[in-house]
Amino acid sequence: GAVVSQHPSWVICKSGTSVKIECRSLDFQATTMFWYRQFPKQSLMLMATSNEGSKATYEQGVEKDKFLINHASLTLSTLTVTSAHPEDSSFYICSAAAAGGSTDTQYFGPGTRLTVL
Amino acid sequence: KQEVTQIPAALSVPEGENLVLNCSFTDSAIYNLQWFRQDPGKGLTSLLLIQSSQREQTSGRLNASLDKSSGRSTLYIAASQPGDSATYLCAVQAGANSKLTFGKGITLSVRP
Repeated sequence: GAVVSQHPSWVICKSGTSVKIECRSLDFQATTMFWYRQFPKQSLMLMATSNEGSKATYEQGVEKDKFLINHASLTLSTLTVTSAHPEDSSFYICSAAAAGGSTDTQYFGPGTRLTVL
Repeated sequence: KQEVTQIPAALSVPEGENLVLNCSFTDSAIYNLQWFRQDPGKGLTSLLLIQSSQREQTSGRLNASLDKSSGRSTLYIAASQPGDSATYLCAVQAGANSKLTFGKGITLSVRP
């Protein structure tokens, strides 16, 4: 149980285009989902925390107008990278905390590799 | 600001060796500490979670210890196997429902 999926697993896009990444909790309801970014040989950095039905909370230095997060249901959160540039190329990972539980236990998705040309 | 450090960045050992991976954090006021495994190009798998009141946790060949006062944790892997090759990350959480702060990870290679 407690499986989180991400789609797509990898994407290549042209500079200036927008890319949407989906994060789904497959067998549980997730009140809270997290979006992380990981550059090569670097640690995961939290970008934002999203709670179902409310606006996401962004970490300092993360542009909310560039990284749009929607958590419309208890099983789906989306991250849209708008007007992507090569410096946005990274590995994006989501995690989900089960409804009724604390965020002690986060279930991580397999990640999405974004390459912006 | 909490900082998590994992040194060395990479480690290579022969199969069968017992090994210790280290993690240090600057702010000892943590809620819990977790060790994760990440395979290349993949997401994270939680290995062990130690609450701030605990000293260690064990799962199979893995044992994680926590010394909160000194800001250190170790992950002990017994009788290492090639399948243990992966990147191991530690992360601390400041409070319930607060964010995880990760180290950069240690990339372990176990040679057959």
